[in-house]
Amino acid sequence: DTEVTQTPKHLVMGMTNKKSLKCEQHMGHRAMYWYKQKAKKPPELMFVYSYEKLSINESVPSRFSPECPNSSLLNLHLHALQPEDSALYLCASSQDQWENRAGYTFGSGTRLTVV
Amino acid sequence: AQSVTQLDSHVSVSEGTPVLLRCNYSSSYSPSLFWYVQHPNKGLQLLLKYTSAATLVKGINGFEAEFKKSETSFHLTKPSAHMSDAAEYFCVVTLLAGGYNKLIFGAGTRLAVHP
Repeated sequence: DTEVTQTPKHLVMGMTNKKSLKCEQHMGHRAMYWYKQKAKKPPELMFVYSYEKLSINESVPSRFSPECPNSSLLNLHLHALQPEDSALYLCASSQDQWENRAGYTFGSGTRLTVV
Repeated sequence: AQSVTQLDSHVSVSEGTPVLLRCNYSSSYSPSLFWYVQHPNKGLQLLLKYTSAATLVKGINGFEAEFKKSETSFHLTKPSAHMSDAAEYFCVVTLLAGGYNKLIFGAGTRLAVHP
């Protein structure tokens, strides 16, 4: 298995809702990432998990809460989002957080719309 | 510090003609460089990577890139464009910072392919 699987593919939520995005990989990668991508822009890093521990938080608002239940799963819990949080949320993984030769494997993303 | 400049925000070619997407990088050490492709509403797919082995790198779908240290360039080429090549292309360099290898994205080049 050489894929990163993200669910759901599309999500519409109100500003008072609580929802979660899910990411799964079975490549044995020990680093996993959440990115946010706005239209016509490159992805922006949000969080890095290394060996199931939060390694990097790029000053992301607390309404985004990541979780890594095990080495294959990464969740992003969403609460009280704003319309400007509407974007494509991408999950990625790599061998480990020091890997710089193989590149990252990205999922297909979750298209989030906040209404 | 590492940075990436994609010299064209939009490139338009006719089907069957060559493709050239230009990328210049800045790096204080020998970099790892990547090209990713993103089709509309999809995740990022790794096209090819340079990691200090051969300077001419072959990727998927007939794409190639040549690492030129003297010109600090890593341009992406394809001899003959297909309609299915229409997508956004990102040139990426890695930066070792904060204890992990961070991906530094270029702004992206949108490739349009006309019949």
